[in-house]
Amino acid sequence: QKEVEQNSGPLSVPEGAIASLNCTYSDRGSQSFFWYRQYSGKSPELIMFIYSNGDKEDGRFTAQLNKASQYVSLLIRDSQPSDSATYLCAVNQAGTALIFGKGTTLSVSS
Amino acid sequence: DGGITQSPKYLFRKEGQNVTLSCEQNLNHDAMYWYRQDPGQGLRLIYYSQIVNDFQKGDIAEGYSVSREKKESFPLTVTSAQKNPTAFYLCASSITGGYNEQFFGPGTRLTVL
Repeated sequence: QKEVEQNSGPLSVPEGAIASLNCTYSDRGSQSFFWYRQYSGKSPELIMFIYSNGDKEDGRFTAQLNKASQYVSLLIRDSQPSDSATYLCAVNQAGTALIFGKGTTLSVSS
Repeated sequence: DGGITQSPKYLFRKEGQNVTLSCEQNLNHDAMYWYRQDPGQGLRLIYYSQIVNDFQKGDIAEGYSVSREKKESFPLTVTSAQKNPTAFYLCASSITGGYNEQFFGPGTRLTVL
């Protein structure tokens, strides 16, 4: 069974801090990796994707991929209360649909 | 505006009824997907289609059916054979069926009365 694992949280950080979200996956053949943000009662919104080992930065967000260790992480710098949401890690393997983790709930306190 | 629309937003079903959830996209995407989300759970794949007139079962296809007669439309029918259909249903699309990012519609929340 191919799996994507995330700590369910909640992860609590103060406003302005760095939030670090982690995800591990079981299939070494995985090719692409995605982070979605989901507010309560809403659909997931794509915030980052990464295909190659290393870091990818977009504004306050940095995605990090380490294929040898089979983990992908998301860093959120200068966290804001509006970042409070559930973050879903998703992995695409075999070129079809995505395998999702159960998500990590982030709470940013002002 | 380009995007994915789903209707209705809320749907109530009686025991033994079939219901159809609509998903339409005007992004000119080839691939479309249906996922189900239960409280505290990740998304699970029901069906996907990489091209018109072709679709494949996902992990939890039992009790569901789909069609893909047009590129922009991928309706999902929840049949009476689905024993626990109460969930949040999400439709997504991507440019192709490969490793590209997927974009989601707003979802349909189905409740069985």
